[in-house]
Amino acid sequence: GQQVMQIPQYQHVQEGEDFTTYCNSSTTLSNIQWYKQRPGGHPVFLIQLVKSGEVKKQKRLTFQFGEAKKNSSLHITATQTTDVGTYFCAGTYNTDKLIFGTGTRLQVFP
Amino acid sequence: DTEVTQTPKHLVMGMTNKKSLKCEQHMGHRAMYWYKQKAKKPPELMFVYSYEKLSINESVPSRFSPECPNSSLLNLHLHALQPEDSALYLCASSGYQTRGETQYFGPGTRLLVL
Repeated sequence: GQQVMQIPQYQHVQEGEDFTTYCNSSTTLSNIQWYKQRPGGHPVFLIQLVKSGEVKKQKRLTFQFGEAKKNSSLHITATQTTDVGTYFCAGTYNTDKLIFGTGTRLQVFP
Repeated sequence: DTEVTQTPKHLVMGMTNKKSLKCEQHMGHRAMYWYKQKAKKPPELMFVYSYEKLSINESVPSRFSPECPNSSLLNLHLHALQPEDSALYLCASSGYQTRGETQYFGPGTRLLVL
């Protein structure tokens, strides 16, 4: 079945450093969504990317969708302790099902 | 109101018990979902209801029985569970069951099966 892999699995950064997580699919995605799950919390929708090569920004967060629509990235500039959590990409293929990536757990040290 | 509520927050049950998880949304969404999430893993889809009809069952064991009494409510009935069923059970809803719809997740029920 379709799988969506994310790297790295874990990332520890000092507050103020940048952070990037990468999401890769072996087959072309229809669209990709990003979710954040705080420790002990539930996934919260961040953004959706639909078009090839699309780039969207939310304050310190920059999201990209690859030209081939097989990969995506989330970049956080100048991390803060409030950025702590697990970031999941989630893609759809030719069905309605959302396939979650393996997730990247971010820890930020003050 | 973009809130999905779930009860109970925590549940401990024995392998012979019968219990139910409840989920409610008042956003007028027509699609509702059950996911299972094990520690340090992504959510895994279990069931999807669209317009109160079961549209996707991801080969979930029959000891899990979903029910959608109306467009705002979603239940998950549990019976004869196994310890490996211990997990966070997440409910979500979206406007429609179509690609690209944002899913809104509830806080989840943390289930422990003894």
